[in-house]
Order: sequence, then C-alpha cells, then structure tokens
Amino acid sequence: EAQVTQNPRYLITVTGKKLTVTCSQNMNHEYMSWYRQDPGLGLRQIYYSMNVEVTDKGDVPEGYKVSRKEKRNFPLILESPSPNQTSLYFCASSSVSEAFFGQGTRLTVV
Amino acid sequence: SQQGEEDPQALSIQEGENATMNCSYKTSINNLQWYRQNSGRGLVHLILIRSNEREKHSGRLRVTLDTSKKSSSLLITASRAADTASYFCALPRGGSQGNLIFGKGTKLSVKP
Repeated sequence: EAQVTQNPRYLITVTGKKLTVTCSQNMNHEYMSWYRQDPGLGLRQIYYSMNVEVTDKGDVPEGYKVSRKEKRNFPLILESPSPNQTSLYFCASSSVSEAFFGQGTRLTVV
Repeated sequence: SQQGEEDPQALSIQEGENATMNCSYKTSINNLQWYRQNSGRGLVHLILIRSNEREKHSGRLRVTLDTSKKSSSLLITASRAADTASYFCALPRGGSQGNLIFGKGTKLSVKP
C-alpha cells in the first residue's frame, strides 16, 4: 500500500529544544516536500527535495532544516523551535501526477 | 511562484445539491490537480487535468480547465454530507511537475 508515514502525530515542546519530525515513503518517489498549514493561510511549502542530496527552499524555510540522505526519508528539523512554529505540518511524496500526504504532525511550541 | 486562488473561500449547501469551486491562476501550466482535505487530515488527490484537456470526470466529480481564462472548476454533483471537506487546487511550481504549490482552499459544508 502506498504510504507516507510521519511521526510523531502530536508534539508539544518548549522553545529552543531541538526536534525532528520524521517522514518516510514507500513509493520510490523522487520528489518530497514539507508544508505547514495555518488557519487562513492554506498550505505553505517549507522545503522540497527532487532527489537524494538535492533540497531547496520553499516559501517559508526560515527556522527549518531538512536532509535527504536516502530516497525514502525526508526529516524536518527545527534546531531552535519558537512559538510561531506552532502549526500543522505535512510531509508529501510526489510522482509527476499525484502527491501523497502523511497524516500530519500537530506541533505546539510553548 | 504562482499559486492558485480558490473561490469561494467557503460554501455551504444542502445534501443533494451541486457544489462548484473555482481556481484561478496567473501563468501557463502543464496540468492542474485538485485535492481534498478532511478536517486536520492529510490531503488526498482527486484528479489531474492536463493543459490539453478541457474536461475530466471521476465519479461525481467533474473538472474543467479553461487555459485561455487561466481557470479551473471542480463540480461535485449530488453532494453528500461526507463531501464536507476543504478542497484545494495545486499547480506545478515552475517547471517541476512533482513540486506543487497549493491555494488556500474552499471549505465546503454539506448539510444533511
């Protein structure tokens, strides 16, 4: 079954404490992306990757890092989270015709 | 980079009625996709329409694309309460077909 797996689903953390949200896909897709979703702002792309070791900034990359060491994994790293990064995060894995989304990670930074 | 703009932002209808959502964009595209999101869940792909197609159907969904007007519409016929969700159009970012930019969505509420 085609799947994008994100973990954790829910996370509450404190300002400044480094965290990683993992994302894994089983479809051998080259494209993977991270989005954040905030009320009234829709989905905004944070970073994307076109293949292993190839990543690029999206629309709102500040405060985030990513890596793509293997094709299946695309973790999102918040080195020093701040309250304005409280949001719903989605990982997506894409072919040229369809994107598959993870179930989302609801992050709260206090 | 361009983003599709959905219209209306919100739509409330009765079960059995048709729901129409529109997406406008600014630059030429190779294709346009529509996605659905149930509250707080991951988006699910509904349909892709290519620039050389004018209309496409999938079950109760009908998508049109007018490249001269740079707009697309999603029609859901005979809507059901289970169609309550947000609907997004998505465009390829630049020339990269696998990298999508999403609009802000239309929130559809179907009342039983």
